[in-house]
Amino acid sequence: EVQLVQSGAEVKKPGESLKISCKGSGYSFSSYWIGWVRQMPGKGLEWMGIIYPGDSDTRYSPSFQGQVTISADKSISTAYLQWSSLKASDTAIYYCARGGSTVTYVPIDYWGQGTLVTVSS
Amino acid sequence: DIQMTQSPSSLSASVGDRVTITCRASQSISTYLNWYQQKPGKAPKLLIYAASSLQSGVPSRFSGSGSGTDFTLTISSLQPEDFASYYCQQSYSTPWTFGQGTKVEIK
Repeated sequence: EVQLVQSGAEVKKPGESLKISCKGSGYSFSSYWIGWVRQMPGKGLEWMGIIYPGDSDTRYSPSFQGQVTISADKSISTAYLQWSSLKASDTAIYYCARGGSTVTYVPIDYWGQGTLVTVSS
Repeated sequence: DIQMTQSPSSLSASVGDRVTITCRASQSISTYLNWYQQKPGKAPKLLIYAASSLQSGVPSRFSGSGSGTDFTLTISSLQPEDFASYYCQQSYSTPWTFGQGTKVEIK
């Protein structure tokens, strides 16, 4: 059974750094693109970026380029989303999501449970 | 970036109603259009992929159509468990983009 299990909720202060994780199981982690999606409180879904764990090829949405870093460690089947300096506007639920073996043309077929990040002074 | 525009942003309907949600892409995306359902407090769930293919386990009252720039999600007979938000998403090119969502509420 394919599963994406995300790390737990975080409460941080503005300016702090953070790295959240998403561990995949039940499939060949290295062979599928895995992405991150933001959902701000009461708002819709925003695609942030995606990584291919096999070779760490990474694509970012222009809206998030330079604001976050996406990485993956295929040896432990885990993808990461990190911030170097959080802002209050980063408060949101972050979902990891599995794409396909190609970066385009395929849907997101599995989602993590979401990680709530709260940034408040 | 390809912009995805959904309409309506919300709608009220009764159990048994036929519901249609539309999604328009800012350029042709062939049939690389997917639909997701999201219930409050839950992760989204894939309903339809490649514009018209029903994901395994999804009830047949859900259907999708369209190609190029115009797409439709139809629920043939709305059930109580269908009250949720629905999003379209293009996977034709990166950055992938979502529509702004349609909230289906009980009338």
